[in-house]
Amino acid sequence: DAGVTQSPTHLIKTRGQQVTLRCSPKSGHDTVSWYQQALGQGPQFIFQYYEEEERQRGNFPDRFSGHQFPNYSSELNVNALLLGDSALYLCASSRPRDRGYEQYFGPGTRLTVT
Amino acid sequence: DAKTTQPTSMDCAEGRAANLPCNHSTISGNEYVYWYRQIHSQGPQYIIHGLKNNETNEMASLIITEDRKSSTLILPHATLRDTAVYYCIVRGYGGATNKLIFGTGTLLAVQP
Repeated sequence: DAGVTQSPTHLIKTRGQQVTLRCSPKSGHDTVSWYQQALGQGPQFIFQYYEEEERQRGNFPDRFSGHQFPNYSSELNVNALLLGDSALYLCASSRPRDRGYEQYFGPGTRLTVT
Repeated sequence: DAKTTQPTSMDCAEGRAANLPCNHSTISGNEYVYWYRQIHSQGPQYIIHGLKNNETNEMASLIITEDRKSSTLILPHATLRDTAVYYCIVRGYGGATNKLIFGTGTLLAVQP
């Protein structure tokens, strides 16, 4: 059973560009959350998707947007990249009706903005 | 969600029990205590969670004080592979969303 997968593993972009990151949830999971982790910090919640809709959003600007597809996979889009967007982007999947609501994280995408 | 306080770092000898403390003095009655860990360059991994009773699974034990204002994660026989950042998170249970609010966690270094 494949866990949460993310692509690409690493990415280098230039300031002002746009980037799309992808996530496939663990089999049987229908909810996807995205987190940003800056170096030396804990992950920060960006937003969560369930039933193809954004259900909750953290304190991130509109430059960060997302999408969830009918197969539950998800994309994170970041426009007008800033140097400060350099971070590890983590995707986590869950199935809210499961006891514990524990989230399963992917390995992340390391984004470097130059 | 209630705020948590953890030591920045801890050491533990291989084979000994690792006891990681967490303070959550503002926890409310319907909030659970969750523990995750993050091994270097990997995504966080769920360990255990509890409400008020002590919990044990194949990875660890969770001891929650009677007033629920603090808890301890116990790794009974730490190995080098347990070296990681451990996050204590307090979160409500239920509802359509289940976001996690991470702090900076405790870096546990298991020494040979």
